[in-house]
Amino acid sequence: QVQLQQSGPGLMKPSQTLSLTCAISGDSVSTNSAAWNWIRQSPSRGLEWLGRTFYRSRWYNDYAVSVRGRIAINPDTSKNQFSLQLNSVTPEDTAVYYCARGPCSGTSCYSMDVWGKGTTVTVSS
Amino acid sequence: QSVLTQPPSASGTPGQRVTISCSGSSSNIGINYLYWYRQLPGTAPKLLIHRNNQRPSGVPDRFSGSKSGTSGSLAISGLRSEDEADYYCVAWDDSLNGWEFGGGTKLTVL
Repeated sequence: QVQLQQSGPGLMKPSQTLSLTCAISGDSVSTNSAAWNWIRQSPSRGLEWLGRTFYRSRWYNDYAVSVRGRIAINPDTSKNQFSLQLNSVTPEDTAVYYCARGPCSGTSCYSMDVWGKGTTVTVSS
Repeated sequence: QSVLTQPPSASGTPGQRVTISCSGSSSNIGINYLYWYRQLPGTAPKLLIHRNNQRPSGVPDRFSGSKSGTSGSLAISGLRSEDEADYYCVAWDDSLNGWEFGGGTKLTVL
């Protein structure tokens, strides 16, 4: 049974870098059969997919247009986890952040089937 | 403004059949699978329907999904009080190269 355990700070100041980690159990971050995603949810923006990382002979990333340029999602194979970094945060980045697995088959990936419990991140001066 | 459009609210009485619609475009629902999630307050979304009309194990057959052209819908039959939740549609968008969520529909069981 795949489980995702999130960790990271909940309170940040504007201009800081948000850093969250998602530890995987029951699967491998290096598998060819999944992509590893970050999604956030706020009252003003609803559910918003931020990006993903996946391994297919080499590592790939896809990022949402809304955060492209200040986001990085990186795997850590030694700890079987992946992380989210979001630079230059503003109060608009206040949200519940989720990590999630998206199963894949061959070159096709499907929507998220296993989710972490969520981390509430508040950006305030 | 979400790429996928859902009605903000829906309602029904116990035992009734309710449908929730999701409208997209040729770059998302028109060429890719549609998915549905249910979210209870304070919890992560849970996958309800995948690949247009497939139910994950454990999801009752009261829930069904369909897709036609650039739109799709989720149907819930035999409505129960515990079905009161927020429902979201999701599809991959080839133009944006990312997953797109609908704005969500709050289902109230009267």
